[in-house]
Formats: sequence, C-alpha cells, structure tokens
Amino acid sequence: KNEVEQSPQNLTAQEGEFITINCSYSVGISALHWLQQHPGGGIVSLFMLSSGKKKHGRLIATINIQEKHSSLHITASHPRDSAVYICAVSYYGGSQGNLIFGKGTKLSVKP
Amino acid sequence: GAGVSQSPSNKVTEKGKDVELRCDPISGHTALYWYRQSLGQGLEFLIYFQGNSAPDKSGLPSDRFSAERTGGSVSTLTIQRTQQEDSAVYLCASSSKSVRASNEKLFFGSGTQLSVL
Repeated sequence: KNEVEQSPQNLTAQEGEFITINCSYSVGISALHWLQQHPGGGIVSLFMLSSGKKKHGRLIATINIQEKHSSLHITASHPRDSAVYICAVSYYGGSQGNLIFGKGTKLSVKP
Repeated sequence: GAGVSQSPSNKVTEKGKDVELRCDPISGHTALYWYRQSLGQGLEFLIYFQGNSAPDKSGLPSDRFSAERTGGSVSTLTIQRTQQEDSAVYLCASSSKSVRASNEKLFFGSGTQLSVL
C-alpha cells in the first residue's frame, strides 16, 4: 500500500468549476508539499505546509494533521490549470529532502 | 542562475555505459536533492545534499549510483554500468535552507531524460 494516496487519479472539469484534489498519508509527517507538473514535464512547488491552510491566488491548500489528510482546491478553474498535481510528504525521522510522493492527479480543464 | 539548471536535457546511452548527469542549483541554495521519475514508479527520492555532504543517500537504488557536490554548488549524479531499468527522468531540486522551514519550497530543474538502450 502506497503511503501517500491521492484521489481522484484523473479529473476532468469545465472552465470555472471549483476543483478539489485529496491526499491521504499513513505516516507521521513534518511537512506536506503540493507540486504541479505541466505536460512539458517541469515541476513547480505550489505549497509547503505543516498545519492549517495556505492560499495563493486561486489555489488553496489545507491540511488536517490528526486525520492525515490534505486537500488542494482550485477556484474558478481555467484550462491553464491543466496539469498533474502531486502530493508529497516528508516524514518524521526522515531527512528533509526524503519525500514520499503520491502518484499524482491528472487534471484537465475544458474551455 | 535564475533557476535550477540540469544538463544534458536528454541522454541516450547503451546498456553497460557510464553516464554523468549535472545539476546547477540556484545560487546560494545550500540544500540540493536528486529525484527520479519513471513510468512505473512515479517520483522517488535518491539523495540529499546539505552543502557538500550527503546526510541521506538512502534512496540510491544500488551501488552503481553515486553523487557528489563540490563547492556547495554543482552536483553530479553518476550511474555506472547503466541498465535498461535506469531509464527515467532524473530531477534535481534545491532550496535555500531546511525544506521543513516555514514557507521553504523546493525549486526543480527541468530534468534529464535518460534512455538506456
């Protein structure tokens, strides 16, 4: 069983829709990352959080440490949001760069 | 530089040959990480450098894999006697300090696509 599970695996949305991507993990963590990977392959770090909620533009990330769960929300989605979104955690006892990655959620936003 | 630079962007090699992959992190970033992304395995951690030392090499899949970092800057990942299962995208990332520090994000390079024939 993968220690980091994402859902859904694939998501198709219409432009303007509110989108939620979920991440559950089974280990104690020190931080959780949300990453975005565009079709060209480049990876961008969206958020790094260890508690609460962070917001950047139309993106919101939340984490519930007790429930071992995080969500990434995209408001007013746009075709340019189409990408693979990857959740990754750094676990207690591991080094800071030793991340466990989820398999990603492929998002396609249709105009 | 403006971002994390990796070279080459593509490398095709024959099974059994050695390859070297280079990463130039963002200037001033003390932490450097190597990951790889393959179709079957997704993203995997390989090794982490803090300055020139590697406190965590636990992700290196075999002793054919090694990495070094000199001058607290450029890093080289070397794969000896390449095998077909080494085919993957090798990604480098850097950060200015502890990735656990508040608001400390990773900055990724574009990767090296390695194909072992």
